[in-house]
Amino acid sequence: AQTVTQSQPEMSVQEAETVTLSCTYDTSESDYYLFWYKQPPSRQMILVIRQEAYKQQNATENRFSVNFQKAAKSFSLKISDSQLGDAAMYFCACTASKLTFGTGTRLQVTL
Amino acid sequence: GAVVSQHPSRVICKSGTSVKIECRSLDFQATTMFWYRQFPKQSLMLMATSNEGSKATYEQGVEKDKFLINHASLTLSTLTVTSAHPEDSSFYICSALDRPRGTQYFGPGTRLLVL
Repeated sequence: AQTVTQSQPEMSVQEAETVTLSCTYDTSESDYYLFWYKQPPSRQMILVIRQEAYKQQNATENRFSVNFQKAAKSFSLKISDSQLGDAAMYFCACTASKLTFGTGTRLQVTL
Repeated sequence: GAVVSQHPSRVICKSGTSVKIECRSLDFQATTMFWYRQFPKQSLMLMATSNEGSKATYEQGVEKDKFLINHASLTLSTLTVTSAHPEDSSFYICSALDRPRGTQYFGPGTRLLVL
């Protein structure tokens, strides 16, 4: 069984600043993927970034990057130059066959 | 990124009626799709895995006769909520698996309200 833990129910960041969302996971699989999804008020789940577990290099997508620590089973998301449109619920997820989600972190972006 | 559509976006129905929700992968073929339910302020709960050309696999506690799933083509899965009751009111989200990328892409969701 897989578990994903997000220990920060809510986070706040000022516009243009950087914020890091934490995620730890546990899986018995050797081959798996990790994801961060964003869910804005529209409730559409949007893929932010993905990481293949066998890759050591941290994934980056524009202002979004991850810190993947495989031995520690940690997968944090860093958002640089935060924008108002980044305000949303962020879900960390892990999959080998099924997708297991964390409980989410609500990110607020202030002026 | 890949696009998944879901229809309808919201539906209101009377208790006892059936409601069908469609999920389509628009720019890739998906042999596997998933149906989730999301309660307010909670994470997504997997209901079932839909496999093209075969029976769906339901998660524990999900009534297969209540939530009928059909995956008749590589781009379409449907979820039918049969004899809907107010407790079935929820937000239902589908996803399609882009297998080469190991990534699920999600539809925009369907808000179901049963009166």
